[in-house]
Amino acid sequence: QKEVEQDPGPLSVPEGAIVSLNCTYSNSAFQYFMWYRQYSRKGPELLMYTYSSGNKEDGRFTAQVDKSSKYISLFIRDSQPSDSATYLCAMTHLRGGFKTIFGAGTRLFVKA
Amino acid sequence: EPEVTQTPSHQVTQMGQEVILRCVPISNHLYFYWYRQILGQKVEFLVSFYNNEISEKSEIFDDQFSVERPDGSNFTLKIRSTKLEDSAMYFCASTLSQGPPLHFGNGTRLTVT
Repeated sequence: QKEVEQDPGPLSVPEGAIVSLNCTYSNSAFQYFMWYRQYSRKGPELLMYTYSSGNKEDGRFTAQVDKSSKYISLFIRDSQPSDSATYLCAMTHLRGGFKTIFGAGTRLFVKA
Repeated sequence: EPEVTQTPSHQVTQMGQEVILRCVPISNHLYFYWYRQILGQKVEFLVSFYNNEISEKSEIFDDQFSVERPDGSNFTLKIRSTKLEDSAMYFCASTLSQGPPLHFGNGTRLTVT
């Protein structure tokens, strides 16, 4: 079983839709859960991160972590064409050297 | 906003040659990392570095790879004898403390021919 699994998509939605992106993981030691956005030929850009279980909201973005199910989600409200990118989930624990494990990334297209 | 900068943006080299990829982390950050992303694949951890030594490395980071912080601002990744399968985007990242957020540079695209 892969440590982090993420559906690569692509996911195509109309402008204004609510987008739901998800990842599952197998390592119960993970403590930090992150979402990155990556545009073509650019480095990953951190959107938000949460520690342990719970929800976190930042503008149009909401991250949810359910450690009991080993499942994390990112919701994007009122999606815009500028949200079109690849979204990477990532997670880590603080043992050792803060090694972060990434999902494969979901490619999102928001159509105007 | 402070940035992680990487040079060059694209490096082409022949198989068997040595390459050095350069990074300038954010100035007050203390923890440094290299990740790579083969085209169409996931971002993979290579190595983390703190206090002038490697904290952790992945199985990808074999004897052909080395890292160095030669001065107070640069952080380098050296590949001693490149192979075709080393072709990838290499991302440098830094953090202020051992924890998120990871700040990434825009990467160096390495092409080995």
